[in-house]
Amino acid sequence: LAKTTQPISMDSYEGQEVNITCSHNNIATNDYITWYQQFPSQGPRFIIQGYKTKVTNEVASLFIPADRKSSTLSLPRVSLSDTAVYYCLVPSNDYKLSFGAGTTVTVRA
Amino acid sequence: DTGVSQDPRHKITKRGQNVTFRCDPISEHNRLYWYRQTLGQGPEFLTYFQNEAQLEKSRLLSDRFSAERPKGSFSTLEIQRTEQGDSAMYLCASSTGLDNTGELFFGEGSRLTVL
Repeated sequence: LAKTTQPISMDSYEGQEVNITCSHNNIATNDYITWYQQFPSQGPRFIIQGYKTKVTNEVASLFIPADRKSSTLSLPRVSLSDTAVYYCLVPSNDYKLSFGAGTTVTVRA
Repeated sequence: DTGVSQDPRHKITKRGQNVTFRCDPISEHNRLYWYRQTLGQGPEFLTYFQNEAQLEKSRLLSDRFSAERPKGSFSTLEIQRTEQGDSAMYLCASSTGLDNTGELFFGEGSRLTVL
């Protein structure tokens, strides 16, 4: 089971870039890394997934170094609406797909 | 709407009553998961199905909890003799079942309040 570790919380201001790093030292060879976003009273929502190097979509970028033992979610130019909890998931044959406590990102005006 | 739907969205019940939640996954998704989430915590895994087979069940799930997925389509989660500690958001998610990608599609959840 690939345990993940990420910061409990991060504060930012509108327009700044927010980078959240997740450690997953025991990631398996064929694992993907997936990030979710969750707003209060809603289910988590998939934002990005990657295997190696860099993945970018309209919402975020995901940077994965060569050893894949960590990954960094980058949210460019955040707005107040990006205030949410962000979760990093690595399956590692754990079909339970366990969530940790996530990182609470608070964006201030 | 072809997303995951859950019903009811909110349920208030008295301690000792039984409650049932329903989840309709995205069609053609083989895997269906149930999670429980309390305030300030991440979703906790409860159980999951591969088609109609319940493949794993968390130790968090006492014998008062039961889940079914007849015919591999919708699923129900029943809680018998509810306790105040059962108050939580119950989340359902589905996926295609492709190994190691971990992409889940969640519903909006069913919030249970036990008085």
